[in-house]
Amino acid sequence: DAKTTQPPSMDCAEGRAANLPCNHSTISGNEYVYWYRQIHSQGPQYIIHGLKNNETNEMASLIITEDRKSSTLILPHATLRDTAVYYCIVRVGEYGNKLVFGAGTILRVKS
Amino acid sequence: GAVVSQHPSWVICKSGTSVKIECRSLDFQATTMFWYRQFPKQSLMLMATSNEGSKATYEQGVEKDKFLINHASLTLSTLTVTSAHPEDSSFYICSAARTGTNTGELFFGEGSRLTVL
Repeated sequence: DAKTTQPPSMDCAEGRAANLPCNHSTISGNEYVYWYRQIHSQGPQYIIHGLKNNETNEMASLIITEDRKSSTLILPHATLRDTAVYYCIVRVGEYGNKLVFGAGTILRVKS
Repeated sequence: GAVVSQHPSWVICKSGTSVKIECRSLDFQATTMFWYRQFPKQSLMLMATSNEGSKATYEQGVEKDKFLINHASLTLSTLTVTSAHPEDSSFYICSAARTGTNTGELFFGEGSRLTVL
């Protein structure tokens, strides 16, 4: 699976958009980009995933560059409850394929 | 939908005893489940892949005789930490792949915190 690079930490003001970048320059054509987050002492929470088109759901938007070498997770109106570690993971989107976590980005939303 | 539940949420045991942690997919079937371990201030480390009706596949460096995995039904996988020692104290998390999905998203339990005295 392709490796990803994320900044170790970011701060965001409450109510503002949080834009979390992820580089995955070695991504293959059949690999998806997944985003999960982990709030302290809880299991990871699925946020969104995409292949090449931009995606949006009730939690966030995922913007994938045309060359697919990077992506950005956007939380449109960050709240204090969005403070968590955000993981960007790239892997083949097959059923039963394992998910390997990197270090992620610690997002701190501040009032 | 896509709820995964773990039990117990936390457990304290004496060194040398065995502890069983259950992982259940409450509203879907999961042929495949995964077990992770997380130490403080570290990321999740994949321990093993659990497949219903067959033997688990362990990641390199994970002792299969120490961490026994059983996946007897499409909604239940168990992890037994045998002869636990203080260094096994950790946060254990399971995840399940919902049968029928073709893009591979996984859903995680709340985690089980094990403390070995």
